Amino acid sequence: AQSVAQPEDQVNVAEGNPLTVKCTYSVSGNPYLFWYVQYPNRGLQFLLKYITGDNLVKGSYGFEAEFNKSQTSFHLKKPSALVSDSALYFCAVRSNAGNNRKLIWGLGTSLAVNP
Amino acid sequence: NAGVTQTPKFQVLKTGQSMTLQCAQDMNHNSMYWYRQDPGMGLRLIYYSASEGTTDKGEVPNGYNVSRLNKREFSLRLESAAPSQTSVYFCASSTRPDREGQPQHFGDGTRLSIL
Repeated sequence: AQSVAQPEDQVNVAEGNPLTVKCTYSVSGNPYLFWYVQYPNRGLQFLLKYITGDNLVKGSYGFEAEFNKSQTSFHLKKPSALVSDSALYFCAVRSNAGNNRKLIWGLGTSLAVNP
Repeated sequence: NAGVTQTPKFQVLKTGQSMTLQCAQDMNHNSMYWYRQDPGMGLRLIYYSASEGTTDKGEVPNGYNVSRLNKREFSLRLESAAPSQTSVYFCASSTRPDREGQPQHFGDGTRLSIL
């Protein structure tokens, strides 16, 4: 069965420090992987995706994510956190095999960046 | 460019009442989705429409119906609202069916309370 795990409900980091939000997945076939961000009282916004190619993917707002096939992980990273990065972050995955059209969503990680 | 527009933004219903949540996108997207978001449960897919004229059940379809009115509009109906349907509802759209790895674009949600 396909699944996504975001092992941390909350991540706290000081402004200016690097941040990592973790995501691991399980799919049959090759994965399509996504990160989304949700600010309070707003819908989810797409940050970046991995489909194929370079394992390091760069996205919006200075975020990047590294696809690691052997560890089945797709961790979100940013070299220097901003207070404005405080939000809820969702990882999502889907297999590129078969007819399953549905994204599988993680439960989200709340990121708090402290000034 | 409005993207995905949901109406209403807030609604309070009494148990047993019916209502329709409206969603429209102006990006000429083929696929549209309805999710609900509940604390600790992440995003759950209610229904989706891969293209105009088709609809399919998602993970939690019971108690809901949908209509893909045209390419732009995808509505969600609660025929007899129950307190368990208190949630934040999100509509999303994407340019291709999920298996092609296209990101979804979200509206800002409808916050629905059922008393």
